[in-house]
Amino acid sequence: AQSVTQPDIHITVSEGASLELRCNYSYGATPYLFWYVQSPGQGLQLLLKYFSGDTLVQGIKGFEAEFKRSQSSFNLRKPSVHWSDAAEYFCAVGVGDMRFGAGTRLTVKP
Amino acid sequence: DTGVSQDPRHKITKRGQNVTFRCDPISEHNRLYWYRQTLGQGPEFLTYFQNEAQLEKSRLLSDRFSAERPKGSFSTLEIQRTEQGDSAMYLCASSTSNGHYGYTFGSGTRLTVV
Repeated sequence: AQSVTQPDIHITVSEGASLELRCNYSYGATPYLFWYVQSPGQGLQLLLKYFSGDTLVQGIKGFEAEFKRSQSSFNLRKPSVHWSDAAEYFCAVGVGDMRFGAGTRLTVKP
Repeated sequence: DTGVSQDPRHKITKRGQNVTFRCDPISEHNRLYWYRQTLGQGPEFLTYFQNEAQLEKSRLLSDRFSAERPKGSFSTLEIQRTEQGDSAMYLCASSTSNGHYGYTFGSGTRLTVV
């Protein structure tokens, strides 16, 4: 069965610092992978997706993610974090019955 | 297009009552999904539709839960005989038929069972 693990429950970074959020997945075939962001009281917004092709994918708001099949990982990165990036981030796998990780809460220090 | 709409935004109900939520997807999207999210957790898959056909149901969807999409447009999720454990955010999303491009989520309906 497909599943996602986000090892970090909460991460704090300083504004302007780089960011990497980890995601490991379990999926029987070529995975469809996604990152979503959820701000307090808001719905989930799609940041980026991967299902084939170049393993480094670019998304909105300056985010990127790299698919590594050998490590079953799809980590999200941003070179310089802004205070407005503070939110909950979810990695997800699959289509149809898409499965989400438990999320990583990002706090940005001034 | 105004995106995915969910109604109501908030619902407070007494234990044992029935509740119904509505979701209006993006009009061009023929897939519609229901998820449940509790505090501090990721969304949990409940069920999804392709047009009016319900293609998959999670084991989380007990017999007290029923979802419909009668004309392949809006969908309703009904919970009968609500329990306190049903308190959660219920999220609806829609997508094109293969879902490869990700889902568009609504803002959710927050259910509180007292």
